[in-house]
Amino acid sequence: SQQGEEDPQALSIQEGENATMNCSYKTSINNLQWYRQNSGRGLVHLILIRSNEREKHSGRLRVTLDTSKKSSSLLITASRAADTASYFCATDRDSSYKLIFGSGTRLLVRP
Amino acid sequence: NAGVTQTPKFQVLKTGQSMTLQCAQDMNHNSMYWYRQDPGMGLRLIYYSASEGTTDKGEVPNGYNVSRLNKREFSLRLESAAPSQTSVYFCASSVLGGEGEQFFGPGTRLTVL
Repeated sequence: SQQGEEDPQALSIQEGENATMNCSYKTSINNLQWYRQNSGRGLVHLILIRSNEREKHSGRLRVTLDTSKKSSSLLITASRAADTASYFCATDRDSSYKLIFGSGTRLLVRP
Repeated sequence: NAGVTQTPKFQVLKTGQSMTLQCAQDMNHNSMYWYRQDPGMGLRLIYYSASEGTTDKGEVPNGYNVSRLNKREFSLRLESAAPSQTSVYFCASSVLGGEGEQFFGPGTRLTVL
């Protein structure tokens, strides 16, 4: 079963615009992570936010976490064509070693 | 420093054949994982190894076995391949289990006819 569900499933924007993706999850978590996957490649870790954090920044990335709503958002500012990829949220549960991935948002940044 | 490596990159099997997917990491990580990714979906955990000498089932373990050969290597075996196991398989490793980021290999694209 999927713990996290991303929204929207697909997003198409112009280069230079901001892209926002959302993730909802079902159970309590210790942390939430975002990963990027370029077509045909393995996943690359972007950012981790802990359950006691509300916002985190890394370069052009901004992640928010609302544990009361069990949701997170990933904002990519000033998007570039190279940001074209699928983006996945992943959550852990109950201090386990298991990460549960959502189904992803496919982002297309048009030059 | 190669990170996480997987072999082979591509494989085609006939139903009922067996094979082993190999994974190795050179980052001295304690935890290793096997996932499968089906078209348009996220990753689903097949098996994981929290530390050398231990293995546990994930979400979709049926039809698979694993071996944590040593700290570096974690293999996934399909004893009798089925068309439903057609997928892309990713190996990953991490220092702290679910507490930290996972590093992924490039994947093995498996087709079972």
